[in-house]
Amino acid sequence: NAGVTQTPKFRVLKTGQSMTLLCAQDMNHEYMYWYRQDPGMGLRLIHYSVGEGTTAKGEVPDGYNVSRLKKQNFLLGLESAAPSQTSVYFCASRQTTQNTEAFFGQGTRLTVV
Amino acid sequence: GENVEQHPSTLSVQEGDSAVIKCTYSDSASNYFPWYKQELGKGPQLIIDIRSNVGEKKDQRIAVTLNKTAKHFSLHITETQPEDSAVYFCAASRTYSNYQLIWGAGTKLIIKP
Repeated sequence: NAGVTQTPKFRVLKTGQSMTLLCAQDMNHEYMYWYRQDPGMGLRLIHYSVGEGTTAKGEVPDGYNVSRLKKQNFLLGLESAAPSQTSVYFCASRQTTQNTEAFFGQGTRLTVV
Repeated sequence: GENVEQHPSTLSVQEGDSAVIKCTYSDSASNYFPWYKQELGKGPQLIIDIRSNVGEKKDQRIAVTLNKTAKHFSLHITETQPEDSAVYFCAASRTYSNYQLIWGAGTKLIIKP
């Protein structure tokens, strides 16, 4: 049982380049989230999805786009990377009913130079 | 909006001693309070959670207490061991907000041998 898998684990981008981070979960969870984690700032929500075909903005959505074409996958896109987007990105998923545990991927360390 | 404050940002304790991490929240409608542990290079993992209809919950060496009147909750780790060294995050969530988790900034716990 893989849980939540993020691809890639590491990436270096030049300013202005684009890339897509992939999150896949095999637990049939409805809710999926993308966070960024920066030193001293905890986890900040970028975008989230409450089901296939739906997405919504979180706390820090600017510069990112997302898609949830399949229930098990949640993609995070950077159209034109900026140094301020250097961070560690985490994907998480949760079941819908009541407040339940969020399962996290291992993270993607992104550096924009 | 909802805000969660976490203290201290760093906590260093002698192996075998107890550690206490505190969080306060602003939204009185919050009703779910999980604690996550993040080891180096990994995603956060749930270690214990508490709901608003309970004042205390224990799981072996870990306990969480909740004071709804004061809007704060705490994580207690007794008989600390080297493997307890990690970053700990508190969070708060409420029904009817798509169960979004609002996170504290994290506490780096260091266990000294």
